[in-house]
Amino acid sequence: NAGVTQTPKFQVLKTGQSMTLQCAQDMNHNSMYWYRQDPGMGLRLIYYSASEGTTDKGEVPNGYNVSRLNKREFSLRLESAAPSQTSVYFCASSEDGHPQETQYFGPGTRLLVL
Amino acid sequence: DQQVKQNSPSLSVQEGRISILNCDYTNSMFDYFLWYKKYPAEGPTFLISISSIKDKNEDGRFTVFLNKSAKHLSLHIVPSQPGDSAVYFCAAKGYNAGNMLTFGGGTRLMVKP
Repeated sequence: NAGVTQTPKFQVLKTGQSMTLQCAQDMNHNSMYWYRQDPGMGLRLIYYSASEGTTDKGEVPNGYNVSRLNKREFSLRLESAAPSQTSVYFCASSEDGHPQETQYFGPGTRLLVL
Repeated sequence: DQQVKQNSPSLSVQEGRISILNCDYTNSMFDYFLWYKKYPAEGPTFLISISSIKDKNEDGRFTVFLNKSAKHLSLHIVPSQPGDSAVYFCAAKGYNAGNMLTFGGGTRLMVKP
């Protein structure tokens, strides 16, 4: 079991460029999430998907789009990258969104926007 | 305005002693709390959790205490080991907030041999 995998591990973009961050999980989980981590801010939820075919906004969705391609994969797209989107991005998954279950995180993608 | 706060950015303790990490929250709708541990270049991993109907939960060397009236929780690690050196995040869920976790800013724990 690989758990939650993310690609790429590191990316440098110029302002205005676009890119897609990929995430996949092999735990047959229903719910998937995208977070960003900034110094002193903890992790903030960008978007989440409670099931295949559904997505919802989190705390900081502006500038991002997501696609729940199938049960395994949840991608995050930056259409026009800005320096404020420099961050570490984590994907996570959980079994069925039960209030008392935990989320499992991927290793992260470090993004630098120049 | 941060709803979950970890006011100590860092903490240093000697191996074998107790580590106490603190977390305060402002939203009284939170009813489930979690601690995650994060090593450099890795994703956070779940450590321990507590429901609002309890005031203590213990798992080996790790104990979480919840004081609802003070809106405060703490993580105790006894005894601390060098391998515990990591960043610890407190997180909270509200019963009316679906699957959303709200995280604190993290505390970096350094355990000195």
